[in-house]
Amino acid sequence: AQSVTQLDSHVSVSEGTPVLLRCNYSSSYSPSLFWYVQHPNKGLQLLLKYTSAATLVKGINGFEAEFKKSETSFHLTKPSAHMSDAAEYFCVVSETMDTGRRALTFGSGTRLQVQP
Amino acid sequence: EAGVAQSPRYKIIEKRQSVAFWCNPISGHATLYWYQQILGQGPKLLIQFQNNGVVDDSQLPKDRFSAERLKGVDSTLKIQPAKLEDSAVYLCASSPQVFVDTDTQYFGPGTRLTVL
Repeated sequence: AQSVTQLDSHVSVSEGTPVLLRCNYSSSYSPSLFWYVQHPNKGLQLLLKYTSAATLVKGINGFEAEFKKSETSFHLTKPSAHMSDAAEYFCVVSETMDTGRRALTFGSGTRLQVQP
Repeated sequence: EAGVAQSPRYKIIEKRQSVAFWCNPISGHATLYWYQQILGQGPKLLIQFQNNGVVDDSQLPKDRFSAERLKGVDSTLKIQPAKLEDSAVYLCASSPQVFVDTDTQYFGPGTRLTVL
């Protein structure tokens, strides 16, 4: 069975400083991993995804994440936070079974607060 | 390209009443998902359709929840009768392909249900 652990429920940074949102996963197979962002009263939006093509994945709005199999981690980073980055971030693990069933598990989320 | 549409956006009902949610996925998307997101938690997958067939409903409380996808396009999710613990945001998502682990999901804005 797969699982996702987001290590911080809340992260607060100052505008212009780096962002680190941590995610660890467990999976029986070789999973695909995603980061989604959810702004208040808006739908979830894809930031980036790992598909085994490259371990360092670049996403939208300057975010990137590195897949580390040995550490079973997929941490999200950004060099310089912007006020508009304040939102809820979700790490997601995905596996497709032989039956076609796609097992999707969301982490519990990390709320990012950006201070002026 | 139009996004995933959901209605209503908000719904308040008394416990033991019935409620239905509607979702119109992105045109041409084969896979449709319904999620339940309880406040402070990550979304939990309730049911997954591929075209008009159910692929996975293992986490759907079938004694009170039901869902269908008409002609492989629109979908409705129904709760009958509702309980207090059903208060949550119900998210609909769609993705273009089937059997593809790396497929991006596109989310609708969600329906916020409050059960009194």
